[in-house]
Amino acid sequence: DQQVKQNSPSLSVQEGRISILNCDYTNSMFDYFLWYKKYPAEGPTFLISISSIKDKNEDGRFTVFLNKSAKHLSLHIVPSQPGDSAVYFCAARGMYSGGGADGLTFGKGTHLIIQP
Amino acid sequence: KAGVTQTPRYLIKTRGQQVTLSCSPISGHRSVSWYQQTPGQGLQFLFEYFSETQRNKGNFPGRFSGRQFSNSRSEMNVSTLELGDSALYLCASSSGTSGSTETQYFGPGTRLLVL
Repeated sequence: DQQVKQNSPSLSVQEGRISILNCDYTNSMFDYFLWYKKYPAEGPTFLISISSIKDKNEDGRFTVFLNKSAKHLSLHIVPSQPGDSAVYFCAARGMYSGGGADGLTFGKGTHLIIQP
Repeated sequence: KAGVTQTPRYLIKTRGQQVTLSCSPISGHRSVSWYQQTPGQGLQFLFEYFSETQRNKGNFPGRFSGRQFSNSRSEMNVSTLELGDSALYLCASSSGTSGSTETQYFGPGTRLLVL
């Protein structure tokens, strides 16, 4: 059962426009959410995160929104640039029953393509 | 600060062999986590080490094991390799002291091909 879902395998956006990537989760124990960007043959690069006590976090061109009641988060990139073309992964984390923090649970990724 | 480093970057092994992968975390970080990325299953958590102890593990068979040294460097071992173990193995480091609300930083990964 996929606990973190990214329902759009790919997304094409024109340069300069807003890119919106979506992510849904099912586990109500998740309390920290992250977005990573990944190029082929490289490890994921951390972009931005949000704690469950917030509903918005902003860092430059990147903003993450969290709607806890809907178990939904989104990443907004404004304005989109050619270098933003990559696979974006949504990830979530919570505490596990043993008392420590759980490993990250990842979505399957969305391939963002920025068109000139 | 130097980032997370992983060696080797590429490996080719045959079924039945074993393999050891290495990870050096960001200086000062004490937690090292390992993940497997495959086209079918995506990125999946293997296990986490903190202060030389396995603190958490995902749903992988016992063929997958790891250890951590006093300098926080970690190794991951896969015994009796199967074709399905072909994957990108990623190591991530974090401070390990902030519970669930801390960010993990990833290395470039080791690409393992099992023939």
